[in-house]
Amino acid sequence: QSVLTQPPSVSGAPGQRVTISCTGSSSNIGAGYDVHWYQQLPRKAPKLLIYGISNRPSGVPDRFSGSRSGTSASLAITGLQADDEADYYCQSYDSSLSGSWVFGGGTKLTVL
Amino acid sequence: EVQLVESGGGLVQPGGSLRLSCAASGFSFGTYWMSWVRQAPGKGLEWVANIKEDGSDKYYVGSVKGRFTISRDNAKNSLFLQVNSLRVEDTAIYYCARDGACTTTTCALDYWGQGTLVTVSS
Repeated sequence: QSVLTQPPSVSGAPGQRVTISCTGSSSNIGAGYDVHWYQQLPRKAPKLLIYGISNRPSGVPDRFSGSRSGTSASLAITGLQADDEADYYCQSYDSSLSGSWVFGGGTKLTVL
Repeated sequence: EVQLVESGGGLVQPGGSLRLSCAASGFSFGTYWMSWVRQAPGKGLEWVANIKEDGSDKYYVGSVKGRFTISRDNAKNSLFLQVNSLRVEDTAIYYCARDGACTTTTCALDYWGQGTLVTVSS
């Protein structure tokens, strides 16, 4: 069980908007630690999608955006495309753990 | 172009050891923290360990403390993970990643290798 909770799956039709939530607590997101998002296409290594809540690395389309509110963060994908079908993970830091980073459990996005 | 190439995975019996390597190129390796992240078959990502630029600070996830050791050789642009006392539940793809997109509070892993598979089985 991760300290960052994501829904196991979400789905949407091409062109639609979907959001993926990442729910934490007062020892991680709620404490102000930034959240990052990754996309993992089938049988590929993860790719950084959003860092620092809402910043996109070069090459990531602006259809992907991030936000934070309280103890949660969200990834929004607009204009859904077939090749957005992938697993998505959030990542942050938790002060109650002895290590550095923690990942959410991941969310499988299905494009209908 | 930033490249991270892992090697050293394989099939090992429970209780065995392996040394995973990650060869880095295309950036100034010695100026970045580096991480290892693993992914068990069909499961999510789990951060395993990271190491400071000069190797002086190291952090581990609780489940591997005392069994895994992260190290680096900046002269050879290489990152290592010594994995000892392996358990069946350590079976995973092990990714090397750069802690390269840092904010004031955390770092994101901005480049990843393709991973090396470690299988622990009798």
